[in-house]
Amino acid sequence: DAKTTQPNSMESNEEEPVHLPCNHSTISGTDYIHWYRQLPSQGPEYVIHGLTSNVNNRMASLAIAEDRKSSTLILHRATLRDAAVYYCILIRDMRFGAGTRLTVKP
Amino acid sequence: DGGITQSPKYLFRKEGQNVTLSCEQNLNHDAMYWYRQDPGQGLRLIYYSQIVNDFQKGDIAEGYSVSREKKESFPLTVTSAQKNPTAFYLCASSAGQAFSYEQYFGPGTRLTVT
Repeated sequence: DAKTTQPNSMESNEEEPVHLPCNHSTISGTDYIHWYRQLPSQGPEYVIHGLTSNVNNRMASLAIAEDRKSSTLILHRATLRDAAVYYCILIRDMRFGAGTRLTVKP
Repeated sequence: DGGITQSPKYLFRKEGQNVTLSCEQNLNHDAMYWYRQDPGQGLRLIYYSQIVNDFQKGDIAEGYSVSREKKESFPLTVTSAQKNPTAFYLCASSAGQAFSYEQYFGPGTRLTVT
């Protein structure tokens, strides 16, 4: 099964950019990369997804490596409300690992 | 507002009792899912359903049962056979074919069994 690996935790200062990495070295050609985030005691929330090209939406940007074996979720200006666990998954696999716990410092 | 509702938010049961968790969606989504989350862990798939009256086991289906009698509803029963039922349970739905589009999650039900 395809898998993703992410750092357990990251810290950022408020209003600074945050780059959250994800490795998916066994990705297949048709696997979409999805990112979700989960606030404490809430269900996960969809953030962004992509296949090959970099993607932008109102929440974040997704940069996908040319070989598609890694991707990076970019929060352009972190706010305290962005403190959450961020999950990178391959949509057909839909297996959530432990994700990356992002702490945002004021 | 469209979305997924789960009830109740907190549920307490005695060991040996079956308990049913509710999940309703008004997004007109075809696929629905149930996940379990333990403290500090990711989500694990229990069951999913692509269409009414059809559902498939996920990675940890033992001790759980589901039904899909209506498109909008996908209740999960935690049976007494589930050895460690205390967990946070999340329901989700998505458009189209299962595992093809982004999933929308409900607020979750936290089940405590003593």
